[in-house]
Amino acid sequence: QSVLTQPPSLSGAPGQRVTISCTGSSSNIGAGYDVHWFQQLPGTAPKLLIYGSRRRPSGVPDRFSGSKSDTSASLAITGLQADDEGDYYCQSYDNSVSAPYVFGTGTKLTVL
Amino acid sequence: QVHLVQSGAEVKRPGASVRVSCKASGYTFTNFPIHWVRQAPGQGLEWMGWINVGDGNTKSSQIFQDRLTITTDTSAATVYMELTSLRSEDTSIYYCARDLRVGGYSYGTFDSWGQGALVIVSS
Repeated sequence: QSVLTQPPSLSGAPGQRVTISCTGSSSNIGAGYDVHWFQQLPGTAPKLLIYGSRRRPSGVPDRFSGSKSDTSASLAITGLQADDEGDYYCQSYDNSVSAPYVFGTGTKLTVL
Repeated sequence: QVHLVQSGAEVKRPGASVRVSCKASGYTFTNFPIHWVRQAPGQGLEWMGWINVGDGNTKSSQIFQDRLTITTDTSAATVYMELTSLRSEDTSIYYCARDLRVGGYSYGTFDSWGQGALVIVSS
């Protein structure tokens, strides 16, 4: 039972810009906790794309960027490429649920 | 280079237990907690629990109540996850993941993941 809500699916053409939203509440994102983003390509483990709401780990292209405001966050991908196709998850901390580390519902990104 | 290598796939009967291992290399093992995250077929990610490898303290999701045990063998740089009283809903890929720490500060997320271990619970 995810407490962070994402759109189930999104699509875009190569070269386009897409934005994935992550909506939380006052017990997680709205409480000031950082949001992090993962990319999961088919058949592989998740890979950290953004941490601390807007920081990129070494090796992650600057086509990926994160932002946070109030009770929501967004992941923007510019210059969409075929190998960006996969599932994307946001993640944060929640101070009210039984499991403090919470994930978003996930968004399946299709590159047309 | 950080590597987390997990044990292989398992098939278990309902009511049985499973133990998945996660062997770490490429960094100072005791400086970084290890989390466990699972993913049911076609579903999203679910955090299960973590262990502070340095002192052995653990915290688990209340969803698992007393079924989940996370331990470590620091001499082998390995963390173990044991789940008991398995049911069909526990069929998932189980991942270990390293806590992201920079200068001792935890960002509350996971920077390196194991390859995953598929656990199938079926009669």
